[in-house]
Amino acid sequence: DADVTQTPRNRITKTGKRIMLECSQTKGHDRMYWYRQDPGLGLRLIYYSFDVKDINKGEISDGYSVSRQAQAKFSLSLESAIPNQTALYFCATSDPGLGYETQYFGPGTRLLVL
Amino acid sequence: QKEVEQDPGPLSVPEGAIVSLNCTYSNSAFQYFMWYRQYSRKGPELLMYTYSSGNKEDGRFTAQVDKSSKYISLFIRDSQPSDSATYLCAMSLLNNNDMRFGAGTRLTVKP
Repeated sequence: DADVTQTPRNRITKTGKRIMLECSQTKGHDRMYWYRQDPGLGLRLIYYSFDVKDINKGEISDGYSVSRQAQAKFSLSLESAIPNQTALYFCATSDPGLGYETQYFGPGTRLLVL
Repeated sequence: QKEVEQDPGPLSVPEGAIVSLNCTYSNSAFQYFMWYRQYSRKGPELLMYTYSSGNKEDGRFTAQVDKSSKYISLFIRDSQPSDSATYLCAMSLLNNNDMRFGAGTRLTVKP
């Protein structure tokens, strides 16, 4: 987990507020991902980026935006937070080398929207 | 219907027991099948992956894929308290992109 860091680890915010979750990695991977995890639903992909100039929507991108500031940094923004965005958010990275492309997850950010 | 269904648990077993974790899926096009382990307050970590059908063994862990039944399993032999975690199945069409995850099964192995 130390190779992929997420800040903050915990955040409480109010409905309508803008919030940014940040992810940094020292693995040197080009590919980065944002997921959310909800009880009973598992992990769902929000956005992914294959390099600094490439951003793609995932399964559940509505209400979210992302920014890839550098190879090592990928931020997730909630422009106007709502209570059903309360979840555990994970960043991940991967490297499309030979063989299976393992994703490496950060420790997560626990977000509560009141 | 969810694309990936996973036995919800929780599952509690004594140390040394054989554990069976299972998932079913609906999309017959899935080619890669993964098992992740997630400890409390940590991110998931890849435990094993299998391409297409068949079995794969890694130490005490065995992954099985039956594409004809759209059913995958993870077996843990001689389970240890350190195996206590949530186990997530995942699958994808291509190598790793756009994975679909099960909801996870929480396992507790009691000493």
